[in-house]
Amino acid sequence: AQSVTQLGSHVSVSEGALVLLRCNYSSSVPPYLFWYVQYPNQGLQLLLKYTSAATLVKGINGFEAEFKKSETSFHLTKPSAHMSDAAEYFCAVVTKNTGNQFYFGTGTSLTVIP
Amino acid sequence: KAGVTQTPRYLIKTRGQQVTLSCSPISGHRSVSWYQQTPGQGLQFLFEYFSETQRNKGNFPGRFSGRQFSNSRSEMNVSTLELGDSALYLCASSPGQGEYGYTFGSGTRLTVV
Repeated sequence: AQSVTQLGSHVSVSEGALVLLRCNYSSSVPPYLFWYVQYPNQGLQLLLKYTSAATLVKGINGFEAEFKKSETSFHLTKPSAHMSDAAEYFCAVVTKNTGNQFYFGTGTSLTVIP
Repeated sequence: KAGVTQTPRYLIKTRGQQVTLSCSPISGHRSVSWYQQTPGQGLQFLFEYFSETQRNKGNFPGRFSGRQFSNSRSEMNVSTLELGDSALYLCASSPGQGEYGYTFGSGTRLTVV
C-alpha cells in the first residue's frame, strides 16, 4: 500500500526565510510524487511533480523538491518565503499499482510572518 | 485551454435530500476523479472514471455514486444526505495515467443542515 506522511501540520516562517515542508512516502514500487498548493476556498494547484526523471524537480513560484529514495522523502523547499506563499500544501503519491488513485498527506499549513 | 469546471460552487441541502454535483474536465482528459475534503479526514478518494467506466472506488458507502458521460463530463450523486457529508467536493481530471498528475477544479462546497 502507498501512503504519505507530512511532518508538521503547521509551519511558520518569516518573510524572506527558507521554506521547508517535509514529506515522506511509503511505496513498495517506484512512486510518482507530487506537491499541490491550496488557497482558501480553492481547489488544489499543482506545484511540481517527480516522475522518475531528474531527482531535483523545479516547480512554479520558485519551489523545488528533491526525491531521495534512500530516505523515502520528497521535501519541498523555497529559498525565500513571500507573503503570497501562505497556503495549505499537500504531498501526494501515486504508483502504477494504484492506477489514478492519489494518496494525499494530511497537509501542512504555511504561515508567512511579515 | 479551459480548466476543470465544477458546478455549483456552493450548495446547501437538508438532511435526507439528495444532491448531484457536476464536473467538466479539461478538453481531451479522459480520466475524472472525485475527492471529498473535510477538516477532520483530509482528502479522501471517492472514485475515478475513465472512458465512462468506473476504474477505481474509495471506501465510501453506496449513497455516493457517480457516472461519466461520453464527452468525459462527470457527475456525482449523494443520496440520503447526512450532516457528515458536509465537505468540499473536488473533481480532478487527467489525461489517463497517474504520473501526469491531476488538474483540480475549484470544488463544490456542500453544506448539509
